[in-house]
Amino acid sequence: TQLLEQSPQFLSIQEGENLTVYCNSSSVFSSLQWYRQEPGEGPVLLVTVVTGGEVKKLKRLTFQFGDARKDSSLHITAAQPGDTGLYLCAGATNAGKSTFGDGTTLTVKP
Amino acid sequence: GAVVSQHPSRVICKSGTSVKIECRSLDFQATTMFWYRQFPKQSLMLMATSNEGSKATYEQGVEKDKFLINHASLTLSTLTVTSAHPEDSSFYICSASRGGRSYGYTFGSGTRLTVV
Repeated sequence: TQLLEQSPQFLSIQEGENLTVYCNSSSVFSSLQWYRQEPGEGPVLLVTVVTGGEVKKLKRLTFQFGDARKDSSLHITAAQPGDTGLYLCAGATNAGKSTFGDGTTLTVKP
Repeated sequence: GAVVSQHPSRVICKSGTSVKIECRSLDFQATTMFWYRQFPKQSLMLMATSNEGSKATYEQGVEKDKFLINHASLTLSTLTVTSAHPEDSSFYICSASRGGRSYGYTFGSGTRLTVV
């Protein structure tokens, strides 16, 4: 079983602050995805990273894939209340199966 | 592109009855779909992999006779919760992928099942 450890599990910050969420594994993944989920909804794909060392930016969100393709981070700059939600990382294997991290519940207070 | 539709979004059923949940890929074909279960404030737990034209692959601990999966076409997979009990109440989500490393998985909007 390939495990993905996500940290922190819970994060509560004030609007305007920066934050970083980490996703770590001892396994190598062919790609890694980050999702955001709101209560009562399915997860929505934010980004897919496939190359070791890759950095992708999506407005105020910056995603990085580790050089060895075992870990990833999500950095949010100047967080807003609309960023509140459950953030999930998922590592995909060549067999097509995804392993999800335990999730990070982010609350951004106005 | 890559839209997955899941129906129904909410269902309440009596204990002992069966409930069918549908997952459709609207604008792409999916030979493989995945079914997850999610408890409040927790991550997704993979239940089974649905394979078009063949039997589903179930994860350890998931009762295949209780959670029947049928993937009869390249755009439709169904999950039937048979003889539902209150402990089956949960949020069920399906996903599919266009395939290839560059694509993530597109999730349905989920089904909130409540067994009373």
